[in-house]
Order: sequence, then C-alpha cells, then structure tokens
Amino acid sequence: GQSLEQPSEVTAVEGAIVQINCTYQTSGFYGLSWYQQHDGGAPTFLSYNALDGLEETGRFSSFLSRSDSYGYLLLQELQMKDSASYFCAVKVNRDDKIIFGKGTRLHILP
Amino acid sequence: GAGVSQSPSNKVTEKGKDVELRCDPISGHTALYWYRQSLGQGLEFLIYFQGNSAPDKSGLPSDRFSAERTGGSVSTLTIQRTQQEDSAVYLCASSLETYYGYTFGSGTRLTVV
Repeated sequence: GQSLEQPSEVTAVEGAIVQINCTYQTSGFYGLSWYQQHDGGAPTFLSYNALDGLEETGRFSSFLSRSDSYGYLLLQELQMKDSASYFCAVKVNRDDKIIFGKGTRLHILP
Repeated sequence: GAGVSQSPSNKVTEKGKDVELRCDPISGHTALYWYRQSLGQGLEFLIYFQGNSAPDKSGLPSDRFSAERTGGSVSTLTIQRTQQEDSAVYLCASSLETYYGYTFGSGTRLTVV
C-alpha cells in the first residue's frame, strides 16, 4: 500500500519559520514533491527532491532523506499569503505517477 | 494552450445521470493525470496517460468511471450513473516527459443531488 503522513494543521507567526514534515511508505520511490494549494485554487508545484539533501528556492526549502523515508518543507520569513494547504507527494514509478499526502493546513497569525 | 483547461468548471447533476468532464492539457505535455479531491481532503489518484503507453487505471474507484485520451491530447473522464459520493472536485494535470512537477487545471466541481 501507499502511505504518506504529514500533520493536518500547523500554526505559525508572520515573519517566522515553519517546517512541515512528511514520512512515507510507498511501493516505489523516485522522488518527493511539495505542492501548495490555496482555498478554492488548484495545487501548484513548489519543489522536487530526487536525491538526499536540501534544495532551496527563495523563501522555501525542501529536504529529503531516503534512508529515513522522510522529508520536510521549510518556509522562511512567513507572509500572510503563505496561508494555504501544503501537500507532500511521492513519485512512485518511472511514469511519474504521484501519490499525495492528505495535506497540512498552514495558519499564519499576524 | 498556456495552461491546463478543464470544463465545465461546475457541474450539478441528478443522481443516476452520466457526466463527462473534459481536460485539455498543455501543448507538448506527454503525460496527463486525473485526481479527485473531496472537501478538505487530499488528492486521490484516479488514472493517468503517459504517451502511447496503456493508461494506468488502478485508481478508478468503480467500473462506473472511465477515461480516454484522444490523439494524445484532450482527455474525457466519464462517470456513469452518478452517486452522491461522487461529489468532489475533479482535477486534471499534465507534465512533460521528464517529471519536474505537474501543472494542474482549475478543476471541475461536481455536485450530485
């Protein structure tokens, strides 16, 4: 079976740093992605890690440890517009089939 | 086109009726995926098409669901004899041959009454 675990909700303060964790158990593993979804909107792609380590893109960073079946998304200098749901997603085969977690709702306080 | 286009954006149908949802992927994207998302939930994989390979239908919840992709471009998801539990947002996505993220359409919100 396929299992991705991430917290259902996280709350942080504007300007602070927040980390959203994801652990996975999947039939195959080719990489870990993160997607952002605002209320009523479509998911948008944030990052993809195929190899271990940290990838940085502006205020967002994503980390992967394949030996621990674990990754996280790090958001720095939080802004109110970052309030959204964040999904981790595993690429499980060569044909780019992606299995998504249930998402983490990020609440940002002023 | 510039993005993934889905139609209709909203669909209300009576229980037992058939519905067709359409997805027009980004030109040049070889892969096309269908997911559905119930209110406040994650994305549930339904089916994907990759190039000329046979589609992976492993996520379709019942034989009432089917999908086709014509000419390697437009895709139609058909739900026969709709049930209330089919109510959800149906999302389509496409990607290049080498994965670096999907591009999602805005979805079709299906309500079965």
